[in-house]
Amino acid sequence: DAGVIQSPRHEVTEMGQEVTLRCKPISGHDYLFWYRQTMMRGLELLIYFNNNVPIDDSGMPEDRFSAKMPNASFSTLKIQPSEPRDSAVYFCASSLRAGWWDTQYFGPGTRLTVL
Amino acid sequence: KQEVTQIPAALSVPEGENLVLNCSFTDSAIYNLQWFRQDPGKGLTSLLLIQSSQREQTSGRLNASLDKSSGRSTLYIAASQPGDSATYLCAVKEGETSGSRLTFGEGTQLTVNP
Repeated sequence: DAGVIQSPRHEVTEMGQEVTLRCKPISGHDYLFWYRQTMMRGLELLIYFNNNVPIDDSGMPEDRFSAKMPNASFSTLKIQPSEPRDSAVYFCASSLRAGWWDTQYFGPGTRLTVL
Repeated sequence: KQEVTQIPAALSVPEGENLVLNCSFTDSAIYNLQWFRQDPGKGLTSLLLIQSSQREQTSGRLNASLDKSSGRSTLYIAASQPGDSATYLCAVKEGETSGSRLTFGEGTQLTVNP
């Protein structure tokens, strides 16, 4: 398997523009997670899905952020409108189940810069 | 709310030295604890996973211990090598009521000098 795939790897945009980040989880994994990593706040969980259904979105910072998972092999994280404080590395991860033994497999991340 | 703290934030050692990274967490009701490695510009890779009822796990030169009652874990790296240079993150998987949430520490940035 190719692992978790994220695109784009780098995104530079201007404040106010819409940004869409994409993720393809490992085939057969039931769980998909979106994280954000910044120097100030470290790695934070934004939202996670189980079988394409959002389970916990309490980490989504505000209404400008939205995430969807239309099918088992694709998810998007959208920011509209984007702001400079959204600049961060966004990671997608997937796991097979949610038992104690399960680990999350992380994608390479998307580095977002909002000017 | 679970909080995970890692000490030190950065560590620089000469090659061949044995070292210990520390992780502490505030809520002992965890499913498991994991240690991840992150290389610059890349995602996280799981190194070791310890179930809440276990005391330690070993993989090669790495040994992770867990003292759930005191809310502490250590990652021991033996005979460090320059290739071990990376950021090491500790993460706890919380109880069932929180689903599959992982809470991460800030990480320890390790540099092993040749």
